Amino acid sequence: SQQGEEDPQALSIQEGENATMNCSYKTSINNLQWYRQNSGRGLVHLILIRSNEREKHSGRLRVTLDTSKKSSSLLITASRAADTASYFCATDAGTGNQFYFGTGTSLTVIP
Amino acid sequence: NAGVMQNPRHLVRRRGQEARLRCSPMKGHSHVYWYRQLPEEGLKFMVYLQKENIIDESGMPKERFSAEFPKEGPSILRIQQVVRGDSAAYFCASSLNNEQFFGPGTRLTVL
Repeated sequence: SQQGEEDPQALSIQEGENATMNCSYKTSINNLQWYRQNSGRGLVHLILIRSNEREKHSGRLRVTLDTSKKSSSLLITASRAADTASYFCATDAGTGNQFYFGTGTSLTVIP
Repeated sequence: NAGVMQNPRHLVRRRGQEARLRCSPMKGHSHVYWYRQLPEEGLKFMVYLQKENIIDESGMPKERFSAEFPKEGPSILRIQQVVRGDSAAYFCASSLNNEQFFGPGTRLTVL
């Protein structure tokens, strides 16, 4: 399977703490994207990191990419209860069109 | 600029009926992707279309499923003779380049 695999499957933290989620994939990629999905809702694009980038920031989000290890991490700093959601990584497996999603990390932020 | 629109949001069908799911991409986007999300799973790519062309349908089941993206109007995902296993959330995404924007999804329930 070319799918990304997120780790951990579930994460529960206290509000204010940092949350780190990891994603591993199998094939070479052009880019990797992270998405958030609130329960019963559609996906929201969070951040895209290209294969020639190592780190990217967006607000409280920090994404790293290690193409040698075929892995990426998503760090959410100073978490809030509203960050409670499932987080998915998606890779294009070098195709540039179709994306392969993992099963996601379910994050619960306890107020 | 309206986002990706999908309708209906919820669709209930009995086994053997047909389901038609519609997706209107973001303005100016000519690429449409369909994904299926089964309960407790990540998204699985189904098909990638451009106007009047199917570019990649490698994720589509061989039977009963079809998709189109006509010159005018929304993209349609059609499922004939639905079975209970077709119950899932179906998401459409559109893109201009590599970044995909997702619609809210259609939740199909087959009774």
